[in-house]
Amino acid sequence: EVQLAESGGGLVQPGGSLRLSCAASGFTFSIYAMSWVRQAPGKGLEWVSGISASGDWTHYADSVKGRFTISRDNSNNTVYLQINSLRADDTGAYYCAKGLGSGNYNELDYWGQGTLVTGSS
Amino acid sequence: QSALTQPPSVSAAPGQKVTISCSGSSSNIGTYWVSWYQQFPGTAPKLLMVENNKRPSGIRDRFSGSKSGTSATLGITGLQTGDEADYYCGAWDSRLGAVVFGGGTKLTVL
Repeated sequence: EVQLAESGGGLVQPGGSLRLSCAASGFTFSIYAMSWVRQAPGKGLEWVSGISASGDWTHYADSVKGRFTISRDNSNNTVYLQINSLRADDTGAYYCAKGLGSGNYNELDYWGQGTLVTGSS
Repeated sequence: QSALTQPPSVSAAPGQKVTISCSGSSSNIGTYWVSWYQQFPGTAPKLLMVENNKRPSGIRDRFSGSKSGTSATLGITGLQTGDEADYYCGAWDSRLGAVVFGGGTKLTVL
């Protein structure tokens, strides 16, 4: 059974940092792209970042470019999202999701339950 | 302002059919596959449709997808109250170098 478990969310002051983790199990992690998608309270989905299966390629939404960094550890089946210079409008639930292929960021067939990030003083 | 445009809400009676539109541009829907997701309140999204019109395993054939030019459509037949949810379209956008989602459509089964 495919499982994705996010952790690392919490309350952070604007300008602060935190690192989200997503532990994967139940599939061959190293051959699938992974993405992070966020959802502000009461709002729609916003794709944040994606990383290819090998980790060689990364992509970001313009709203987070230069502040967020995605990475993965294929030996530990984990994908990370480093968030720096947090802003209040970064607040929301952050989901990690598995792509259908090695470079597929759009078709996300499994999702975690999300971890909540709150940017507030 | 989402790169993909969906109606905020649609509604129909139980047993009827509803369609949800998703309008984009040549840099996203016009070139790349469209996927669709269903989300119930407080839960993670679920993949409903891939490659414009292919249903992942376990998705019932009451759900269908199509694409024409820079627009895509999700169709749901035999509506049930359990279909009440938010629906999102998504596609890769080559101009942005990112995945873009529609703003979401809330389906009400009256």
